[in-house]
Amino acid sequence: AQKVTQAQTEISVVEKEDVTLDCVYETRDTTYYLFWYKQPPSGELVFLIRRNSFDEQNEISGRYSWNFQKSTSSFNFTITASQVVDSAVYFCALSEGDNAGGTSYGKLTFGQGTILTVHP
Amino acid sequence: NAGVTQTPKFQVLKTGQSMTLQCAQDMNHNSMYWYRQDPGMGLRLIYYSASEGTTDKGEVPNGYNVSRLNKREFSLRLESAAPSQTSVYFCASSRLAGVTQYFGPGTRLTVL
Repeated sequence: AQKVTQAQTEISVVEKEDVTLDCVYETRDTTYYLFWYKQPPSGELVFLIRRNSFDEQNEISGRYSWNFQKSTSSFNFTITASQVVDSAVYFCALSEGDNAGGTSYGKLTFGQGTILTVHP
Repeated sequence: NAGVTQTPKFQVLKTGQSMTLQCAQDMNHNSMYWYRQDPGMGLRLIYYSASEGTTDKGEVPNGYNVSRLNKREFSLRLESAAPSQTSVYFCASSRLAGVTQYFGPGTRLTVL
C-alpha cells in the first residue's frame, strides 16, 4: 500500500524567510507520480506540480522549487522569500502508475498536510 | 471554462436523511473522483470513475454510492446520513487515470 507522510504539521515563518516543506512517500511500484497541492484559506485545492518517478530533475518555478530524491523517497518543496499570500495548507500526494495491476492506478494518496503561516 | 463545479456549496442534514452531491466538469476529462477531507487526515478517496461507465471503490466507500451519469457528471449519494459523514467533499477530474487531477471548490456537509 502506498503512503505519504508530511511530518511537519504546522510551520510559522516571517515574511522573506525561506521555508522547506517535507514529504516522504512509500510505494512498491516502480512507476509513480508525485504531486503538490496548495489549499489557501478559501478552501479550494490548487495544483502546483507533478513529477514522474523516472524524472529526478529538480524543478524551479519562480519562488517555488522542488527536490525529488528517489534514494530517500522524498519530494520536498521550498518557498524562497516567503510572502503572506503563501499562507495555506500544502499537501503532498502520490499516485501509482499503470503497472500496479490496475487496482490503484490513478488514485491519489494524500499526506496529512502542512499548515504554513507567513507573518508580515 | 468553469473547470470542475460542485453543488451545493453548503448543506446541513439530520441523521438518516439522504442527499446527492453533484459534480460536473467541462474539460472533457475521462476520469472523475470523490474525496472527503477531515481535519488532520488530508483527503481520502471515496469512489472514482476511471472512465464513463465504470466506478470503483476507494479507501472509504462505506455509506456512499456514486453514479457516473455521463462523461461530464459524477454524483455522490448519501442514502442515510450519519454524523461521521460530516466533512468537506471534493470532486476532481483528470484527463486520464494517473495524470493531474483538478479539484472543484468543495461541499461542506454537516450531519446533525
